[in-house]
Amino acid sequence: EVQLVQSGAEVREPGESLKISCKGSGYIFTNYWIGWVRQMPGKGLEWMGVYYPGDSDTRYSPSFQGQVTISADKSISTAYLQWSSLKASDTAMYYCARHNCGSCPFEFWGQGTLVTVSS
Amino acid sequence: QSALTQPASVSGSPGQSITISCTGTSSDVGGYNYVSWYQQHPGKAPKLMIYEVSNRPSGVSSRFSGSKSGNTASLTISGLQAEDEADYHCSSYTSRSPYVFGTGTKVTVL
Repeated sequence: EVQLVQSGAEVREPGESLKISCKGSGYIFTNYWIGWVRQMPGKGLEWMGVYYPGDSDTRYSPSFQGQVTISADKSISTAYLQWSSLKASDTAMYYCARHNCGSCPFEFWGQGTLVTVSS
Repeated sequence: QSALTQPASVSGSPGQSITISCTGTSSDVGGYNYVSWYQQHPGKAPKLMIYEVSNRPSGVSSRFSGSKSGNTASLTISGLQAEDEADYHCSSYTSRSPYVFGTGTKVTVL
């Protein structure tokens, strides 16, 4: 059974750094793209970027380029989304999701990680 | 990359059919047959309902169907049921991003 299990909720102050994770299981981690999706409170979904663990190919939405870093550790089948300096506007639910190719839909989703940035 | 445009809300009575539109441009919806639809219940992760405009993943009810005309894709829910009350999001492959979501539609079963 394919599963994506994300790390727990986080509370940080503005300016702090953060790295959240998404562990894949039930499939060959290096064979599928992992994407990250933001959902701000009461809002729609926003595609942030994708990462292919097989060759580390990474693609970002222009809206998130330079704002976050997507990476993965193949040895533990885990993808990451990180910020070097959080802003209050980063407060949102973040989902990881798996898809088979760049144009393919997100077939499997993690449960979401709530990030709250507040002073 | 601007979000695809969806109506904020659509409602219908049990048993009725409703249609949700998703309007983009020739660089996304109109240019590719890679439109997907996701259902999201409150506090839950999205669930894939339709992919490649009109295909249903295994396990998704045949009451859900998708189509596309020009730069607008549509999701139709027939025989509306109480459990269909949720938010629905469209998405499309694009030539620029390479992925974009819609603004989201809240479906209410009256």
